[in-house]
Amino acid sequence: DAGVTQSPTHLIKTRGQQVTLRCSPKSGHDTVSWYQQALGQGPQFIFQYYEEEERQRGNFPDRFSGHQFPNYSSELNVNALLLGDSALYLCASSLGMGARETQYFGPGTRLLVL
Amino acid sequence: AQRVTQPEKLLSVFKGAPVELKCNYSYSGSPELFWYVQYSRQRLQLLLRHISRESIKGFTADLNKGETSFHLKKPFAQEEDSAMYYCALSGPQARNKFYFGSGTKLNVKP
Repeated sequence: DAGVTQSPTHLIKTRGQQVTLRCSPKSGHDTVSWYQQALGQGPQFIFQYYEEEERQRGNFPDRFSGHQFPNYSSELNVNALLLGDSALYLCASSLGMGARETQYFGPGTRLLVL
Repeated sequence: AQRVTQPEKLLSVFKGAPVELKCNYSYSGSPELFWYVQYSRQRLQLLLRHISRESIKGFTADLNKGETSFHLKKPFAQEEDSAMYYCALSGPQARNKFYFGSGTKLNVKP
């Protein structure tokens, strides 16, 4: 099991563009959470998907949206990119949504907005 | 509001010295608390959680509800403990969202 995988590893975009990041969860996991990690900061919760629906959302604008597919993989979409969206985007998977569930993190996608 | 504070950005100790990484939290009710670790060139991974009351790689963490703290401790630091450590919180009052602190970089010197 390769664990949680994310693609691409790096991405460069310009302001105003749109970006899609992808995540495949660890085998057997059904829940995917997305985080934004700015330089020098801890991960910030964006949203969580379970059964193909957004279940929880952090304090992020509607420009951030997502999707979960029947095979549990997930996408994070960011529209109208701003310079401040430059960050490492982490995906984490777990078995269920509960607060006690261990989250397994992917290696991240580093997004640079110019 | 839920909040996790790690007051030290960097902690440097010598091998064999005791280590304490501080974590304070703000939460109404009984939180679920975790320590995650990121070694160099590796992904973020769970180190331990308070509910398990376990010792992992010699590290322990005790939940102190009175002081709203969940400090991570190890009596004798090893060079391989050098890493970035994040304290995290979740729970029903947080609607099961995870809140991470800003992290402490532990540097264990030979």
